[in-house]
Amino acid sequence: DGGITQSPKYLFRKEGQNVTLSCEQNLNHDAMYWYRQDPGQGLRLIYYSQIVNDFQKGDIAEGYSVSREKKESFPLTVTSAQKNPTAFYLCASSIGDSSGANVLTFGAGSRLTVL
Amino acid sequence: GQQVMQIPQYQHVQEGEDFTTYCNSSTTLSNIQWYKQRPGGHPVFLIQLVKSGEVKKQKRLTFQFGEAKKNSSLHITATQTTDVGTYFCAGPRNFNKFYFGSGTKLNVKP
Repeated sequence: DGGITQSPKYLFRKEGQNVTLSCEQNLNHDAMYWYRQDPGQGLRLIYYSQIVNDFQKGDIAEGYSVSREKKESFPLTVTSAQKNPTAFYLCASSIGDSSGANVLTFGAGSRLTVL
Repeated sequence: GQQVMQIPQYQHVQEGEDFTTYCNSSTTLSNIQWYKQRPGGHPVFLIQLVKSGEVKKQKRLTFQFGEAKKNSSLHITATQTTDVGTYFCAGPRNFNKFYFGSGTKLNVKP
């Protein structure tokens, strides 16, 4: 089955530590995204990538970093510079063209808790 | 900048009652999408509306896109406990970026 795999599902981190969240897709999608969701709130865009070796900052990129070395993979690093990292992180992908069929497919999410 | 506002934030209904959530944009949208997130789950795409005044139905769900393409609504007729979750609208900033509304959390009491 095609889809998006995020790991780990749950992650605990001590203050001052960096942590990397994995996101892999086998949908052959060009575009990939990272969103952050806080309780009772909508989705806020952290970073997105339209093509391999290229990515753009979203609305809340500070304290986060990404890479896009392969089409299938878009890992997110939450650095110690992120002041309030406890949240639910969602990875998504889309075809990435202007055909009108550009809808988002989400992974199951990674829940990060800073102790 | 462009924003997508969604109301209400919460809605509690008795099973069998109807439910509506509204989405409003400060600018004209090329299209609007709706997603559903079950408790503890991830958002799942429901539908996309593209044309001005468009109405689409999925069983008990009716989606509308306003004539000015600045607002949209999702109406559920005769809610069931399986409808529980948070419903999000999303409008594109460009074809690859989306503004998400804050969501409407629906609770259905049996």
